[in-house]
Amino acid sequence: QSVLTQPPSASGTPGQNVTISCSGSSSNIGGHTVNWYQQFPGTAPKLLIYSNNRRPSGVPDRFSGSKSGTSASLAISGLQSEDEADYYCAAWDDSLNGWVFGGGTKLTVL
Amino acid sequence: QVQLQESGPGLVKPSQTLSLSCTVSGGSISSGTYYWSWIRQPAGKGLEWIGRIYTSGSTNYNPSLKSRVTISEDTSKNQFSLKLSSVTAADTAVYYCARAINYYDSGGYVGWFDPWGQGTLVTVSS
Repeated sequence: QSVLTQPPSASGTPGQNVTISCSGSSSNIGGHTVNWYQQFPGTAPKLLIYSNNRRPSGVPDRFSGSKSGTSASLAISGLQSEDEADYYCAAWDDSLNGWVFGGGTKLTVL
Repeated sequence: QVQLQESGPGLVKPSQTLSLSCTVSGGSISSGTYYWSWIRQPAGKGLEWIGRIYTSGSTNYNPSLKSRVTISEDTSKNQFSLKLSSVTAADTAVYYCARAINYYDSGGYVGWFDPWGQGTLVTVSS
């Protein structure tokens, strides 16, 4: 059972917009920034969004992040087949004094 | 460009100690700017933060693993290491090392893991 809650799956067709949610509490998302990671099968996670809504160099602007209260969202606009991957949210947690992750969302491009 | 590479036995017997190292290239673990973390992922499951070490040698561990985990650094080799004692089959996972930036600002605790090592599979089995 992950501290941060994500839907296990999401899907969309090419060109559609998709949003993945991440729900937490005041001890994590409510008080700290959120990061998102993208992971393809058999590879290490890659930083996709940091500090709620900032993109590392090289990440397409189709990917955007937002945070409100104790929840965060990852939005993908103009879905592409290469976006099919697992997505994880993460934040610092005061109660655990450590990092917590969401359970991950498997995005399928239909 | 900083790169991380995990190394260590791929098979560990139950009740024994899992030992992994992470070699950092393209940057120094003594820089004082970064935290160096271990994260694991059981097959088909999500990510779990194990713990981290800072340049000063200070550490933080996941409370669920704290009694069994030790993270240390060897600055002469530009490496940091993970030891997990009394392993069981539940510790079978891909283990990743990662660099993290962490600081406080008006938005709270800010930080992220980047880059990550490629990961190494550790199986606990007799």
